Amino acid sequence: GAGVSQSPRYKVAKRGQDVALRCDPISGHVSLFWYQQALGQGPEFLTYFQNEAQLDKSGLPSDRFFAERPEGSVSTLKIQRTQQEDSAVYLCASTLTTGRTEAFFGQGTRLTVV
Amino acid sequence: GESVGLHLPTLSVQEGDNSIINCAYSNSASDYFIWYKQESGKGPQFIIDIRSNMDKRQGQRVTVLLNKTVKHLSLQIAATQPGDSAVYFCAENRYTGRRALTFGSGTRLQVQP
Repeated sequence: GAGVSQSPRYKVAKRGQDVALRCDPISGHVSLFWYQQALGQGPEFLTYFQNEAQLDKSGLPSDRFFAERPEGSVSTLKIQRTQQEDSAVYLCASTLTTGRTEAFFGQGTRLTVV
Repeated sequence: GESVGLHLPTLSVQEGDNSIINCAYSNSASDYFIWYKQESGKGPQFIIDIRSNMDKRQGQRVTVLLNKTVKHLSLQIAATQPGDSAVYFCAENRYTGRRALTFGSGTRLQVQP
């Protein structure tokens, strides 16, 4: 596609519900990143994939967070038993190769847990 | 629309003036630094990057300066336009090890017509 696409654009979840956020990276991009952005803050790293391999998940805040990229393209970030502190914008970014500095971001999914 | 940063430092400039946005970084091992622009309701957009072995790089209407002695990065925007209004973040990364960007605190740029 022309850019990184994320869906849904907005998600409201009741506390305790599970949610799944989708990211369609730019076609052919090897690296894919998930970030969490709280209001008024810069994005914070969650996890990183190189093709289908999850190489770094050190930023995932708890075991309720899980990400996958089974075929090396589309990625899903799943949050189980959502809590109010999970409310944030979740951003996905992709880069052509691991060595490229220019990361392309999607528009994000705003998650609100009520 | 959504507001990316309600309590961020704000720089207000007149249209046509030059803008300078500053950033302090902490990791002296970073290999490169990047400036991102984030408009309300959108994801960050790459502006320009600079390697750690450089002290200046110019792009279209933008210049990034790097002072490694004091761990300071700045973004200069020439002839600021209303479309430049956004939140600006600096970020740092390394070529090896962890690949993810580490973002600094942002600055909101408001351009007055």
